[in-house]
Amino acid sequence: GAGVSQSPSNKVTEKGKDVELRCDPISGHTALYWYRQSLGQGLEFLIYFQGNSAPDKSGLPSDRFSAERTGGSVSTLTIQRTQQEDSAVYLCASSQGVGQASRGAGYTFGSGTRLTVV
Amino acid sequence: DQQVKQNSPSLSVQEGRISILNCDYTNSMFDYFLWYKKYPAEGPTFLISISSIKDKNEDGRFTVFLNKSAKHLSLHIVPSQPGDSAVYFCAARSTGTASKLTFGTGTRLQVTL
Repeated sequence: GAGVSQSPSNKVTEKGKDVELRCDPISGHTALYWYRQSLGQGLEFLIYFQGNSAPDKSGLPSDRFSAERTGGSVSTLTIQRTQQEDSAVYLCASSQGVGQASRGAGYTFGSGTRLTVV
Repeated sequence: DQQVKQNSPSLSVQEGRISILNCDYTNSMFDYFLWYKKYPAEGPTFLISISSIKDKNEDGRFTVFLNKSAKHLSLHIVPSQPGDSAVYFCAARSTGTASKLTFGTGTRLQVTL
C-alpha cells in the first residue's frame, strides 16, 4: 500500500488478556520499527527489524512483549497478560534501510493503535 | 535518563510570526537530528533533519539550527500558519545504532489567527 497500515486503530481489553497489534509496512521497506507513546510521554522505542537480521529487542519493557515479522513484511506485536500501564498508542514505522544515505531520512509512521487496558 | 529533551510542552504564536521550538540533548554520539510533526489521531510525519557536521538546514519555511557545543537544536518556522498547529517531536540518531531514533516528549504548537 501507499503508507504504513496498522490495525486495529483502537483496542480496549481487560487486564490479563493477550492482545495482538498488526503492522503492514510500505512495500519494499526493509526496516520496521515499533514505538509506543504513553500519555504525556515521548515516543519510546520497543523493537526494530532490519531485513533478515536478528531484531533489536532492547526496548521491549518486559517479557510479556514480543514481536514477529513474517516474510520480511507484516509485523505483529503481542502483549501477553496486559496490565493497565500498557495503555498507550502503539506506533509502527518503516524505512528503506540503514545505509548512510538513509541516516538523515525519517521513518514513515502508521496512524497507530490506541490500546486501553481496563 | 532522558537523552533528548524538549522542555517546553507548549507554545502559542500568532499567524505570520516566527515559531521557535527548542530541543536539548545529552548524548554526544548522536550524528543526525530530526524533527517530526504530529496531528491528533495520526502518526508523526517527518519534517526536516540535520547532520551533526552541519549547523543549519533549510527547507522552505522550516529551518533547523544545530549548536553542537551547547548540545542544542532548534526548529524555526517562518511565517507560522494555522496549519502548523501540531505537536513537534525532536529525535536523534546515534552512530553505531543503525536506525533507532530517540525522541523527545514533544512541544504542542498553537498558531493563532
